[in-house]
Amino acid sequence: QKEVEQDPGPLSVPEGAIVSLNCTYSNSAFQYFMWYRQYSRKGPELLMYTYSSGNKEDGRFTAQVDKSSKYISLFIRDSQPSDSATYLCAMRDSGGSNYKLTFGKGTLLTVNP
Amino acid sequence: DGGITQSPKYLFRKEGQNVTLSCEQNLNHDAMYWYRQDPGQGLRLIYYSQIVNDFQKGDIAEGYSVSREKKESFPLTVTSAQKNPTAFYLCASSILQGSEQYFGPGTRLTVT
Repeated sequence: QKEVEQDPGPLSVPEGAIVSLNCTYSNSAFQYFMWYRQYSRKGPELLMYTYSSGNKEDGRFTAQVDKSSKYISLFIRDSQPSDSATYLCAMRDSGGSNYKLTFGKGTLLTVNP
Repeated sequence: DGGITQSPKYLFRKEGQNVTLSCEQNLNHDAMYWYRQDPGQGLRLIYYSQIVNDFQKGDIAEGYSVSREKKESFPLTVTSAQKNPTAFYLCASSILQGSEQYFGPGTRLTVT
């Protein structure tokens, strides 16, 4: 079993839809969770960072963490064509001096006008 | 304007040649990282450095080398020993104890 599982998609939705992107993980030591957005041929851009179970909201984006189920989600409200990108989840544990991130493989999202 | 720069954006080399990818940051971050991204494989960590003159191997270090002589710079050399060097290479940085890593724009290396 891989440490982080992420549905690769592709996911295609109409403009204005609510999008749900998900990752599951197996390592219970993971304590910090991030979502990145990556446009084609560009570097990933940090969207959301959270370290506690529950929801964190930033504009149209909500990050949700359920540590008991080892499941994280990113919700995008009122999706726009400019949201079309690959979304990567990332996480790390809190142990020692190891700041290594473990990434999901990414979900390709297309928002159609 | 703070950020991470990588150069060049595209790089072409013949098989058997070593090539060095540049990464510079002006965010005053202590830690820097190199990742490789291949279609369907996600990001894989090559090397990372938490302090000047010190670095550690990541998951796929074979065929790569790095140096960290300055806080701002973390160049990656892809050697001729790397069997499949064609990929998209990403540099990132973070504060020393921070989880959030910030990425550069990437260098696409093609070896023929």
